[in-house]
Amino acid sequence: DAKTTQPPSMDCAEGRAANLPCNHSTISGNEYVYWYRQIHSQGPQYIIHGLKNNETNEMASLIITEDRKSSTLILPHATLRDTAVYYCIVSPIYNQGGKLIFGQGTELSVKP
Amino acid sequence: NAGVTQTPKFQVLKTGQSMTLQCAQDMNHEYMSWYRQDPGMGLRLIHYSVGAGITDQGEVPNGYNVSRSTTEDFPLRLLSAAPSQTSVYFCASSYLFRASYNEQFFGPGTRLTVL
Repeated sequence: DAKTTQPPSMDCAEGRAANLPCNHSTISGNEYVYWYRQIHSQGPQYIIHGLKNNETNEMASLIITEDRKSSTLILPHATLRDTAVYYCIVSPIYNQGGKLIFGQGTELSVKP
Repeated sequence: NAGVTQTPKFQVLKTGQSMTLQCAQDMNHEYMSWYRQDPGMGLRLIHYSVGAGITDQGEVPNGYNVSRSTTEDFPLRLLSAAPSQTSVYFCASSYLFRASYNEQFFGPGTRLTVL
C-alpha cells in the first residue's frame, strides 16, 4: 500500500474552512484515497473517499490533484466538534475488509 | 442498530493474567478486525477475520489470540498480559463485497492497563 504524509498539526478558526493536505506520491491507479477522523478517545470514523474526481458529502469535500499525488480534505465551516486527528489513507479498490494502514495523522484544533 | 460494541470500556490487569476483550456488531458485516493504539500513535492491526471460522494475523499479533465462531462476535484474548500490552484496543467491522470502497465501522474502544 502507498504511504501518506500529513502535517502533524494544524489550527483553524471556528466557522472558517479547514484545509487538510495529504501527500501520496506513490499512489497507484487502483488505489482510493480515504479520510478518517478520530475524535479524542473515540474510535475512528469514516469521512470520505475518492479515486480521481473531487468528491463531496455531508461531512466534507475531497480535492484530488490531477496527477493523484496529493489531496486536500476540506471542512467548509469548521466547528469545535471537528477538533480531532484526521487520517489520510490509501488502499486498493475492491479491498473491502482489507487492512487500513493508519499513519500519525494531522491533529486539527478548531479554536473559537 | 447498535453498530460495533466493545466490552469492557476499561480494564486493569496484573502481569501474567489473561482476559478476553469482547467485540460484537449487528450489521451483518463479514469482516472484523482488532487494532491497538498506543499514545500518540496511529492504529496497528492485530488480527482480522473475513468470516466465521476464518482468522488471520495482522501487523502485531504476538500475545493475542482470536476466534470467530459467529458473524456477530470477534473476541480478542490476551493469553498472559504484559505491560507492553497497555493500550487502547479498537474493534472494527465492514462489508466485504457490497461496494468497491472500504468503510470500516469502529467500536468505542477498550482501555487496558497492565501493571
